[in-house]
Amino acid sequence: SAVISQKPSRDICQRGTSLTIQCQVDSQVTMMFWYRQQPGQSLTLIATANQGSEATYESGFVIDKFPISRPNLTFSTLTVSNMSPEDSSIYLCSVGGPKGEAFFGQGTRLTVV
Amino acid sequence: GENVEQHPSTLSVQEGDSAVIKCTYSDSASNYFPWYKQELGKGPQLIIDIRSNVGEKKDQRIAVTLNKTAKHFSLHITETQPEDSAVYFCAAVKGAGSYQLTFGKGTKLSVIP
Repeated sequence: SAVISQKPSRDICQRGTSLTIQCQVDSQVTMMFWYRQQPGQSLTLIATANQGSEATYESGFVIDKFPISRPNLTFSTLTVSNMSPEDSSIYLCSVGGPKGEAFFGQGTRLTVV
Repeated sequence: GENVEQHPSTLSVQEGDSAVIKCTYSDSASNYFPWYKQELGKGPQLIIDIRSNVGEKKDQRIAVTLNKTAKHFSLHITETQPEDSAVYFCAAVKGAGSYQLTFGKGTKLSVIP
């Protein structure tokens, strides 16, 4: 499976600021996704990061709050904008495998104070 | 949309005993069912998966069974070890080539030495 690296692994941020999370994959992948995992909860899909075009967002998530870039087939960023304490979560990058599997990075643990 | 129910939410077993986690799904079009293990501070790790054309799959101490008619699937861990302690998530995926997972709420498994 692909090796997925996320940066930063954790951060503590002030409310009203923005944080950009990076996801780097060691091989080219067609499909990349961003998930959110609120404390003690399950994973919820935020959006599909499309290479060369705008991301596709799931219901309840908007581009102004979670802008996503996907400049090539190995890299994507997720920005959490104008943060509030409710944005405190683990943010996970995911990539699609050759047999339809989904693999995850180690996550970025965000705390907003 | 798809809805995945997972039970139990917590499970404690003695080392060496078996553990069973059950999930049900709502959309009969779902055809891929992965299981993930998430250790504290880490991203979800794919441990086993099953497709709708198979009733059972085994990999060493873990196995997954699928009942398409009843729309439920289960994870079985035999000879549990302390390192099996983690949160386990089931998921369902609809459609060939779709990587969009709907997750269950997770089961926290504790293996008592």
